[in-house]
Amino acid sequence: SYELTQPLSVSVALGQTARITCGGNNIGRKNVHWNQQKPGQAPILVIYRDTDRPSGIPERFSGSNSGNTATLTISRAQAGDEADYYCQVWDSSTVVFGGGTKLTVL
Amino acid sequence: EVQLVESGGALVKPGGSLRLSCAASGFTFTDAWMNWVRQAPGKGLEWVGRIKSEGDGGTIDYAAPVKGRSTISRDDSKNTVYLQLNSLKTEDTAVYYCTTASLRITMIVGAFDIWGQGTVVTVSS
Repeated sequence: SYELTQPLSVSVALGQTARITCGGNNIGRKNVHWNQQKPGQAPILVIYRDTDRPSGIPERFSGSNSGNTATLTISRAQAGDEADYYCQVWDSSTVVFGGGTKLTVL
Repeated sequence: EVQLVESGGALVKPGGSLRLSCAASGFTFTDAWMNWVRQAPGKGLEWVGRIKSEGDGGTIDYAAPVKGRSTISRDDSKNTVYLQLNSLKTEDTAVYYCTTASLRITMIVGAFDIWGQGTVVTVSS
């Protein structure tokens, strides 16, 4: 079965750039989506199809995907960006989530 | 307003059964492929299964941990999707979310732009 690997945690200084990676075999050939989840809340979609932002998501959120790694980039990190981030793909007819990355804004 | 509202979560004994419901509004439910995703306490997101729209054949797929113990169904007349859970185990304890794509583009690429608030299932003796 297909697996997605994310770092358990990433820390970023306030106002700096955070990068969260999602590794998978030839993931560059798949559409990668990113979900943000704050404590006690349901997830929300922040990036879909590698690079696209849903309406209402700040331009500070961007994505890329190539080879074996997809990356979610959060520019000018704010305290409100602290959350768990999950990458997601479809493999055959099933959905695969990465294990999640806890982003801490220092 | 685009919305998904889950219900039916409860405390159940191991071996028991439960049916969860997810009521949809604000988008064309009949076109939607509806998914269930769960999250065990302190853990990550885990996909449970999906039912396609009737127009796309109504095909249902399940994740391995629940296959054979779960049934997903839909009632388009009620804009509702269901998850029947049988032979429940303690490891089925989780928040169960209903999720889907409400936009044509997110539907095509398989992203979930709508999530419900979740319903809690606790399996314990």
